[in-house]
Amino acid sequence: QKEVEQDPGPLSVPEGAIVSLNCTYSNSAFQYFMWYRQYSRKGPELLMYTYSSGNKEDGRFTAQVDKSSKYISLFIRDSQPSDSATYLCAMVTSGSRLTFGEGTQLTVNP
Amino acid sequence: SQTIHQWPATLVQPVGSPLSLECTVEGTSNPNLYWYRQAAGRGLQLLFYSVGIGQISSEVPQNLSASRPQDRQFILSSKKLLLSDSGFYLCAWNMGGGGQPQHFGDGTRLSIL
Repeated sequence: QKEVEQDPGPLSVPEGAIVSLNCTYSNSAFQYFMWYRQYSRKGPELLMYTYSSGNKEDGRFTAQVDKSSKYISLFIRDSQPSDSATYLCAMVTSGSRLTFGEGTQLTVNP
Repeated sequence: SQTIHQWPATLVQPVGSPLSLECTVEGTSNPNLYWYRQAAGRGLQLLFYSVGIGQISSEVPQNLSASRPQDRQFILSSKKLLLSDSGFYLCAWNMGGGGQPQHFGDGTRLSIL
């Protein structure tokens, strides 16, 4: 069983939709949680970084962490075609090495 | 601000040829450095990481090696490339202290013919 599970998609939505991306994990020692956005032929770009359970908002993006359920989510409001990318969740204990999900491919159609 | 550079962006090499990919970080000191490989449509596979000059940890036995000759320079090498070495290679850095996010370069797309 993988430590981090992420639905690979692909996920296709119309412009303006609310997008929900999710990851589950099995290691209760994970303390820090990240979401990365990766455009085609580019490196992953850090989008959100959270520590505690609850919500963190940044513009159209909201990261949600539920440590009791071992579940994290990324919500994208008013999605745009420029949001089309692969989204990777990542998490880490108190060390430096991250554990990544496989990534979800998102397409936002104009 | 910190930046990370990887080159080349694209590389086509014949089977059996050597390889050298370079990664440099600017704007910080003593970063942790990482090499990943990403297969098409797949997640990130950690290949090597380094916490300091000359300190390399290998995650997966393979045809590749890594070196860190300077504080902010990380090199991925091979003496003889295999077809299975094709992929997208990413370098990343973060600061020590635990729990820090990693920051990635734009990768090298390696094709072996």
